[in-house]
Amino acid sequence: KQEVTQIPAALSVPEGENLVLNCSFTDSAIYNLQWFRQDPGKGLTSLLLIQSSQREQTSGRLNASLDKSSGRSTLYIAASQPGDSATYLCAVPYYNQGGKLIFGQGTELSVKP
Amino acid sequence: DGGITQSPKYLFRKEGQNVTLSCEQNLNHDAMYWYRQDPGQGLRLIYYSQIVNDFQKGDIAEGYSVSREKKESFPLTVTSAQKNPTAFYLCASSSAGALPGELFFGEGSRLTVL
Repeated sequence: KQEVTQIPAALSVPEGENLVLNCSFTDSAIYNLQWFRQDPGKGLTSLLLIQSSQREQTSGRLNASLDKSSGRSTLYIAASQPGDSATYLCAVPYYNQGGKLIFGQGTELSVKP
Repeated sequence: DGGITQSPKYLFRKEGQNVTLSCEQNLNHDAMYWYRQDPGQGLRLIYYSQIVNDFQKGDIAEGYSVSREKKESFPLTVTSAQKNPTAFYLCASSSAGALPGELFFGEGSRLTVL
């Protein structure tokens, strides 16, 4: 059974720092991996989608990497800003079961001015 | 603007009442999903539909019902059989019905049982 874990559960950093959020999954046979951002009381915003054949995906100050063999993905945020404060979630699909996703518990990020 | 619209944003229900949460998308997506989010438990899948007039149970379908009569719409009914319905409900859609595609979410509906 696929399980997704995100560590740490919470992270507080000063503004300007580069940071890495971690996501691990137990079954390496994934089709893709998606990173989301969630602001308090809001829905999820898709940040990056990495296909299983890709190693990295970049969008602005965000860079996500995927290592299927080790069951890990990282989300790198460069030059963090207070506006980056949110909960970040990663998710992988149930293999061969369409677009159903299994989510990690999320990392709550706080960037202090 | 293309997107997913959920309504109402906040809903209060008395015990024993059924309530229906609306989800509409104009992204022309085939697949739609309902997730429930509780503090400390992450997101859990309630129901999903990969095509009109067809839907499947997710991990926590008991006490919920759905319909998919139109491609754009996937309403969720929380019935009185749901023992603990107070939660944040999120609707999502993706373009690839059978294959895992990028998932897009609405803004959510918060249901509180009084």
